[in-house]
Amino acid sequence: ILNVEQSPQSLHVQEGDSTNFTCSFPSSNFYALHWYRWETAKSPEALFVMTLNGDEKKKGRISATLNTKEGYSYLYIKGSQPEDSATYLCASVSGSARQLTFGSGTQLTVLP
Amino acid sequence: DTGVSQNPRHKITKRGQNVTFRCDPISEHNRLYWYRQTLGQGPEFLTYFQNEAQLEKSRLLSDRFSAERPKGSFSTLEIQRTEQGDSAMYLCASSPGKGRDRGIAKNIQYFGAGTRLSVL
Repeated sequence: ILNVEQSPQSLHVQEGDSTNFTCSFPSSNFYALHWYRWETAKSPEALFVMTLNGDEKKKGRISATLNTKEGYSYLYIKGSQPEDSATYLCASVSGSARQLTFGSGTQLTVLP
Repeated sequence: DTGVSQNPRHKITKRGQNVTFRCDPISEHNRLYWYRQTLGQGPEFLTYFQNEAQLEKSRLLSDRFSAERPKGSFSTLEIQRTEQGDSAMYLCASSPGKGRDRGIAKNIQYFGAGTRLSVL
């Protein structure tokens, strides 16, 4: 995998449903993986920064796992709420500048 | 508000005009980044400053683009002779880089809300 890829591109779920997204990234020269939530007209907000293989992070109803050997991360949302509607971006950290290489995002819409 | 601030939020310009955007990072953050996001894509890295020094530039940053961070605080991104392909959201981010924050915390990037550029 040369680029950061996310799937699905978009997702509609009913309020109360649980859902998950996938992020694939280059496993060679891995440094860190970031997850961001980006709501319309707002700033992208950092959710998690993950560095270690097997890492699991949790923030309220949102959690994430990391597999650096195979180059993927999952983001889970339990009991989705309308306020969870946003674009979820993952980004691999690389380079001496520690710049972020983003995937295209998963656009989540939670229907009431 | 002590977050990253970007101005203007929206800019509409005619092709061929010059535009300048400003980013005010979080105070005391050493690192400042510019990204560009087009429809359907994730943000793409443009350039990076460590204090006032521009240390990294993406090949996306053509000769028409120039960025400065003269005193190591705010930064400006100028696009000369704009083209329709320059239409995008321009995002600025800052991170601590060093200091009180240790480990991965120093590399967390805090984003502004962006400047949306439309070139007609």
